Amino acid sequence: EDKVVQSPLSLVVHEGDTVTLNCSYEVTNFRSLLWYKQEKKAPTFLFMLTSSGIEKKSGRLSSILDKKELFSILNITATQTGDSAIYLCAVEMRSSGDKLTFGTGTRLAVRP
Amino acid sequence: DAGVIQSPRHEVTEMGQEVTLRCKPISGHDYLFWYRQTMMRGLELLIYFNNNVPIDDSGMPEDRFSAKMPNASFSTLKIQPSEPRDSAVYFCASSFRDRGPVDTQYFGPGTRLTVL
Repeated sequence: EDKVVQSPLSLVVHEGDTVTLNCSYEVTNFRSLLWYKQEKKAPTFLFMLTSSGIEKKSGRLSSILDKKELFSILNITATQTGDSAIYLCAVEMRSSGDKLTFGTGTRLAVRP
Repeated sequence: DAGVIQSPRHEVTEMGQEVTLRCKPISGHDYLFWYRQTMMRGLELLIYFNNNVPIDDSGMPEDRFSAKMPNASFSTLKIQPSEPRDSAVYFCASSFRDRGPVDTQYFGPGTRLTVL
């Protein structure tokens, strides 16, 4: 059975801290991995990763994929209270058409 | 662009009633996805369409759930009869694939459904 597992399930940090969120997967015919941020409403897209070892970066957020070890990490440096959200990881498989399989998410709370 | 539009935003109904959720995808997008999100199970794909045709409905929980996409700009998800365990946030998302890996999915604001 295809699995996408995120850790930790929840995390509380203080402003200025650096956090690393993990996403591991066991799927057949991997195509891409996507990260989403979900605040109070709908998930919004952060990154799409298809190749190992190439870091994607956007401001204080960065992400990298390891296709050999089957995981991805999402780093947030100098966290701010506005980073508080659920961070979702999703995997697209070649064998599943165009659908994404989501992990259950990591709930991040950044305290002032 | 207004993004993906869903209605209603909140729905409270009684067990046994029919519920219809509506979605308008982003203009030009050829994929539409319906998801359900709960605390226990996270975000689950229910069904998706490509060019208005249902491609995979394996995530639809049971026969009480049905989805249609009569045209490129409108889709419905219907639950009949509704049950308390259907209470969740239902998201619609759309994307555009241009002969490559799937484009990012853009999510609507969701419909929070409560079945009493």
